[in-house]
Amino acid sequence: DVKVTQSSRYLVKRTGEKVFLECVQDMDHENMFWYRQDPGLGLRLIYFSYDVKMKEKGDIPEGYSVSREKKERFSLILESASTNQTSMYLCASRPNRINTGELFFGEGSRLTVL
Amino acid sequence: GESVGLHLPTLSVQEGDNSIINCAYSNSASDYFIWYKQESGKGPQFIIDIRSNMDKRQGQRVTVLLNKTVKHLSLQIAATQPGDSAVYFCAENSIMNTGFQKLVFGTGTRLLVSP
Repeated sequence: DVKVTQSSRYLVKRTGEKVFLECVQDMDHENMFWYRQDPGLGLRLIYFSYDVKMKEKGDIPEGYSVSREKKERFSLILESASTNQTSMYLCASRPNRINTGELFFGEGSRLTVL
Repeated sequence: GESVGLHLPTLSVQEGDNSIINCAYSNSASDYFIWYKQESGKGPQFIIDIRSNMDKRQGQRVTVLLNKTVKHLSLQIAATQPGDSAVYFCAENSIMNTGFQKLVFGTGTRLLVSP
């Protein structure tokens, strides 16, 4: 089975702190994604990566950056956390570079910024 | 612009009933659609998908119907069980300028199943 692991299920940070959200997948998938999920807004794409060291902006990249140094790991970085970044963050992966296909999601990381 | 939306934010059904969750999409060029189920405290899980060259696809107790004429997608769950209680998301495939394909998600429908 595909396993996407997000290292932190729950985090509480203060405004201005730097936050790292880590995601690891064990199926050698090329594509990896970070979404945020907010009530009434569904899942919105922050950043994605279609290969190692490659990254592309999604629909709401402002305030975020990402790192993909190894194929299995995709990190989401909040350089200076703000209260409007309080949300559920979901990491996902997919095997193909440009083809369609389902995304495999992690369990989510719930971030609260005070 | 592209958008995927759901008509009903919450659907309440009795155990054993059939459930129908609806979804409207706006991008007529979308060629692939997925339904996900998200239980409380968990990440979304794949239920079923359908490509635009089909209008119906069946899985175990679930059926997805695609009506491209009116850009409408539905998920039917037969003999709904308490374990089906969750939030259901539809998603459509969207091709970016780079040629990369991403999924655009709807806002979700909560299904509540009463025993």
